[in-house]
Amino acid sequence: DGGITQSPKYLFRKEGQNVTLSCEQNLNHDAMYWYRQDPGQGLRLIYYSQIVNDFQKGDIAEGYSVSREKKESFPLTVTSAQKNPTAFYLCASSIGGQGAYTGELFFGEGSRLTVL
Amino acid sequence: RKEVEQDPGPFNVPEGATVAFNCTYSNSASQSFFWYRQDCRKEPKLLMSVYSSGNEDGRFTAQLNRASQYISLLIRDSKLSDSATYLCVVNWAGTASKLTFGTGTRLQVTL
Repeated sequence: DGGITQSPKYLFRKEGQNVTLSCEQNLNHDAMYWYRQDPGQGLRLIYYSQIVNDFQKGDIAEGYSVSREKKESFPLTVTSAQKNPTAFYLCASSIGGQGAYTGELFFGEGSRLTVL
Repeated sequence: RKEVEQDPGPFNVPEGATVAFNCTYSNSASQSFFWYRQDCRKEPKLLMSVYSSGNEDGRFTAQLNRASQYISLLIRDSKLSDSATYLCVVNWAGTASKLTFGTGTRLQVTL
């Protein structure tokens, strides 16, 4: 079955540590995204990539980094510079890259990060 | 003012009831509109797009009012399985990087 796989589902981190969240898709989608969801807030865009080897900052990129070396993979690193990293992180993909957006985002099941 | 505003609820309705949610948006240049459904502690999934002329998918009807800048979702004959949070999503630039998500309206359908 095609879809998006995120791992780990739950992650605990000590303050000051970097952590990398994995996101893999086999939908052959060009575009991939990372969102953060906090209670009482809408999803907020961290980073997005419309094509391999290219990515752009979203609305809240500070303290995060990404790479897009393969079409299928878009890992997110939460660095120690991120002041409030505890959140639910969602990876998504869409068919359209540059301008061919159809309206649907496909989400992974999410990764819940807790900083102790 | 938030770009996309929704009543957080919860809306508690009995099975079989009709319930409606509204969502207002502030950017008059918004181009496309969607309703997503999110179950508790799960990922959002697209429920339906919202077209200018209104559209229906089974028990669900979505409407767009550009003049007043709001979209609505009507659910008829509510089922227990409709219990979820419904996210209003607005796109003002034709690319997914410009999606704005509302905080969601929680629906609880009871026996």
